[in-house]
Parts: sequence; C-alpha cells; structure tokens
Amino acid sequence: GQQVMQIPQYQHVQEGEDFTTYCNSSTTLSNIQWYKQRPGGHPVFLIQLVKSGEVKKQKRLTFQFGEAKKNSSLHITATQTTDVGTYFCVWGSGNTGKLIFGQGTTLQVKP
Amino acid sequence: DAMVIQNPRYQVTQFGKPVTLSCSQTLNHNVMYWYQQKSSQAPKLLFHYYDKDFNNEADTPDNFQSRRPNTSFCFLDIRSPGLGDAAMYLCATSQGQVRGYTFGSGTRLTVV
Repeated sequence: GQQVMQIPQYQHVQEGEDFTTYCNSSTTLSNIQWYKQRPGGHPVFLIQLVKSGEVKKQKRLTFQFGEAKKNSSLHITATQTTDVGTYFCVWGSGNTGKLIFGQGTTLQVKP
Repeated sequence: DAMVIQNPRYQVTQFGKPVTLSCSQTLNHNVMYWYQQKSSQAPKLLFHYYDKDFNNEADTPDNFQSRRPNTSFCFLDIRSPGLGDAAMYLCATSQGQVRGYTFGSGTRLTVV
C-alpha cells in the first residue's frame, strides 16, 4: 500500500539553529498534511499542501511540496524550546480522507 | 469551542476485562476515526465511520470493535484486552474530504 517515508527519525538541535524534516513517497501524492504532536499530547494539524511546487509559511515554519508531488519538507528557522515535539507528514487518502502517517521526526531543542 | 472530547483521559483495565473508550464531538463532522498509537510510533488507523457506514482496516484485530450511535458519539470496545493493547487511543474527526483532522486528547490505556 501507499507509504510515506520520513527522515530523520530524531533530531537534536541547539536553540536558535534551524531544523528540517523530509518526507518521501514512491508514488505521486494528491496532498500532504503536516501535524505536530507535543510529548504526551495529541497530533495537531498544521497545514495541508495540494499543489505541485507549493510553498506555505507559518511564522518560522516553511512547508514545501515537491514539483513531482512525491516529496515534502518542513523547515523551522531559529528553533525555540516550544518547537519540541514530533512532526508527522501525513497523506490524506480516499474520499474519506483516511490519513497515512509517516514515521515522524522527533525534535529536541537544547536551551 | 467546537471540539473532540475523549473520556477518560487515563484508563486502567485488567487483562481480559472488556473496556470501552468514548469520544464525542461538537464539530458535526460526518467522519470519525479511531487510531492506536504506541510509544514512539505513528498513529495507526483501526477503523472509521463515514456517517453510519463502518470501515474496518484489514489488519485491525477482531478484539477491537466500534459503535457510533449518532453523529456526535463514537465508542471503541476492546473485548478482551491483552498486554499488547496498552497504548494511546486517539479519536479524530473530519468532514470527509481531504483536509485537516481534529484529534481528541486521547485515552491512555494501561492493561494490568
């Protein structure tokens, strides 16, 4: 079945450094969503990308969808301790929007 | 505020003793999902309801069942919990199209 591969699995950064997580699929994706899950919390929807080459920004977060719609990335500029958590790229499949999760990237930020 | 509410937040059950987890929503979304998330893993879809239509994932054990008596409520029944069923159970809703889900806070199940 459709799989979404995400790397790296873990990332430790110093506060103020940048962070990027990457998501890849072997087949074309109709869309990609990004969620953040804080430790002990639940996934929270961040954004959805649907267009080839789409780039969206939310303050220090930049989301990209590849031209071939097979990859995506999330870049955080100047990380803060509040950015700690696991970031999931997720494909919404089918008419009911069933979510297929990537493995997630867990970000640790050292103050 | 419109939201997805899961009760209880923490649930301890005995090995083999049936347990029910509940989820309610005020979003009036037509699709409700149940996910299982084990430690350091991504959420795994168990099943979902599109309105009253039940959709089971192929690899969801028979031990897990669900009920949706109305639009607002959905229940997850675990008939005979085993130690391997200890996990966070997440309820989520959507309007049925591909857009962002709203997740509840989850129920963390411990099996003793």
